[in-house]
Amino acid sequence: DTAVSQTPKYLVTQMGNDKSIKCEQNLGHDTMYWYKQDSKKFLKIMFSYNNKELIINETVPNRFSPKSPDKAHLNLHINSLELGDSAVYFCASSQDGVRTGNEKLFFGSGTQLSVL
Amino acid sequence: AQSVTQLGSHVSVSEGALVLLRCNYSSSVPPYLFWYVQYPNQGLQLLLKYTTGATLVKGINGFEAEFKKSETSFHLTKPSAHMSDAAEYFCAVGPRGVSARQLTFGSGTQLTVLP
Repeated sequence: DTAVSQTPKYLVTQMGNDKSIKCEQNLGHDTMYWYKQDSKKFLKIMFSYNNKELIINETVPNRFSPKSPDKAHLNLHINSLELGDSAVYFCASSQDGVRTGNEKLFFGSGTQLSVL
Repeated sequence: AQSVTQLGSHVSVSEGALVLLRCNYSSSVPPYLFWYVQYPNQGLQLLLKYTTGATLVKGINGFEAEFKKSETSFHLTKPSAHMSDAAEYFCAVGPRGVSARQLTFGSGTQLTVLP
């Protein structure tokens, strides 16, 4: 069983559309994250979510909104997609991300988003 | 504030040769240091991490890294490269006692292993 799974793997869409990426973890972890990896491979955190506490990276546009129906799921919804949103989006989870900072992150295999 | 610099976006080695991937960090507080590996079309996987104690850290697949505070470095090494080591490697730094969301990743080093 895949520990952190995200769908879809590839997402091609037009500018202005709204899309969602789903993420599920079966590890029983307390904290989930969304990362964005740009074309130069820079990996930046977008959100972390722990026990209904949402921490948002201040650089993330409010067109991006995470939604967590339960502890095992953290979906990413994007409104009014722009060309600059094209990137690979990674979901991740950790056992207790808010306690010490040395927790191992488990990553999904990524969603390649292409905005045309 | 913290940052990570990975020297060399691409490194090529011959199979069986030494692998050395460089990582320098800056942090205003004692850091945690990590190396993650990303194989093609996959998410990142933890190779090893330094938290406290012994400064030479051993990880999976024969990799190790040494924390050198005086040099603010955390270079990744493997004595003998294998074809399966070809991947993207990311160094990361995080402040101690703070959430894992504070982790800062480097820009990655693509390792190519030549036959």
